[in-house]
Amino acid sequence: IVLTQSPGTLSLSPGERVALSCRASHSVSTRFLAWYQQRPGQAPRLLIYGAANRAAGIPDRFSGTGSGTDFTLTISRLEPEDFAVYYCHQYATSPYSFGQGTKVEIK
Amino acid sequence: QLQLLESGPGLVKPSETLSLTCTVSGGSISSPTYYWGWIRQAPGKGLEWIGSIYYSGSTYFNPPLTSRVTITIDKSKNQFSLKLNSVTAADTGVYFCARLEWDELRAFDIWGQGTMVTVSS
Repeated sequence: IVLTQSPGTLSLSPGERVALSCRASHSVSTRFLAWYQQRPGQAPRLLIYGAANRAAGIPDRFSGTGSGTDFTLTISRLEPEDFAVYYCHQYATSPYSFGQGTKVEIK
Repeated sequence: QLQLLESGPGLVKPSETLSLTCTVSGGSISSPTYYWGWIRQAPGKGLEWIGSIYYSGSTYFNPPLTSRVTITIDKSKNQFSLKLNSVTAADTGVYFCARLEWDELRAFDIWGQGTMVTVSS
């Protein structure tokens, strides 16, 4: 399953709302769709699992929606620490693929 | 709190074998709730799943790497290991180990800090 994320890069200001898209080449069960955040020089951090469930300690400004082949990660109001790269990931069908990432950068 | 720590050589010569170990602390590697995985990231690129192992020893690999990858688990040491043979410059990158929680999350919920491996003569 190929996961295609769009756009590649977003230039935004703190306080803005952002929606990141992840499109799968074949249907993915929501149980197996996750989103990660990766800041420079750090390991990825799990944000969302099961397409819509926030992981422990993740602020409620992060939300996930979607089903089938279309999934979205929304950040309701960007904080300075949210400028990072975001990856979607499916663990439904081997090979367990990641999207290519969307970079959210400060405008 | 469970932590993962990768260890191994930072420099490997072309055609040789890359060997890394992930040490799990603060929890047992033998729990049936978890899989343990390796993910890598080439410089400036995205994440690539390499493979995963279950406490029973069952393994699952990314097909393009299957012929070159071995993942093993040592329950007595609470470690799992990666071997990637016949490496080339394309295998250069940061290698992460991670825990995949299977019962509820079905996602990699805990990651090691990553270790940089350079393939060069």
